[in-house]
Amino acid sequence: AQKVTQAQTEISVVEKEDVTLDCVYETRDTTYYLFWYKQPPSGELVFLIRRNSFDEQNEISGRYSWNFQKSTSSFNFTITASQVVDSAVYFCALSGVIQGAQKLVFGQGTRLTINP
Amino acid sequence: DVKVTQSSRYLVKRTGEKVFLECVQDMDHENMFWYRQDPGLGLRLIYFSYDVKMKEKGDIPEGYSVSREKKERFSLILESASTNQTSMYLCASRDSGTPNEQFFGPGTRLTVL
Repeated sequence: AQKVTQAQTEISVVEKEDVTLDCVYETRDTTYYLFWYKQPPSGELVFLIRRNSFDEQNEISGRYSWNFQKSTSSFNFTITASQVVDSAVYFCALSGVIQGAQKLVFGQGTRLTINP
Repeated sequence: DVKVTQSSRYLVKRTGEKVFLECVQDMDHENMFWYRQDPGLGLRLIYFSYDVKMKEKGDIPEGYSVSREKKERFSLILESASTNQTSMYLCASRDSGTPNEQFFGPGTRLTVL
């Protein structure tokens, strides 16, 4: 069975600090995809990144970076120089494929609060 | 831009009522999904549909049913609402074919009294 664990329920930091959100996953598939979504107070989940199991290169997008390590089954997300607008709930998700649809398994989410 | 809309942002119903949650997407996506979100549990898949008139149970289908008569619309039905179905309900859609991401609607916060 597939599983995603986000052990950090809540994180609170002061603006401009760097913060890392942890994500650990379990799967028996050799091909799989990992995702990060952001859920701001408005409620709508916003897609941030997708990573496939064959690509372990780290990715950077502005202040956001992702560290994918198959050896530890982790896909961690770092925000550099955090800002108040980064306050949200962040979800890590893992994909499986069923009947042609892509079923996502989500972690419990990490609520990130950036204080001014 | 992909647009996924849900019929209500907030809904209050009474125990035993039949409840319809509607979701519409405007990008001709084949796949559509219904999740519920509860604190500490993340998002859990209720039902999904990989094409028109096709539906599959997710991880927590009990107490729910779905309908997909048209490609753009996916309805979640609570046949007899109960208080333990008070939750945030999120609809999503995606274009078929790995590895496309899912696009989410704004959610419906349902309270069952």
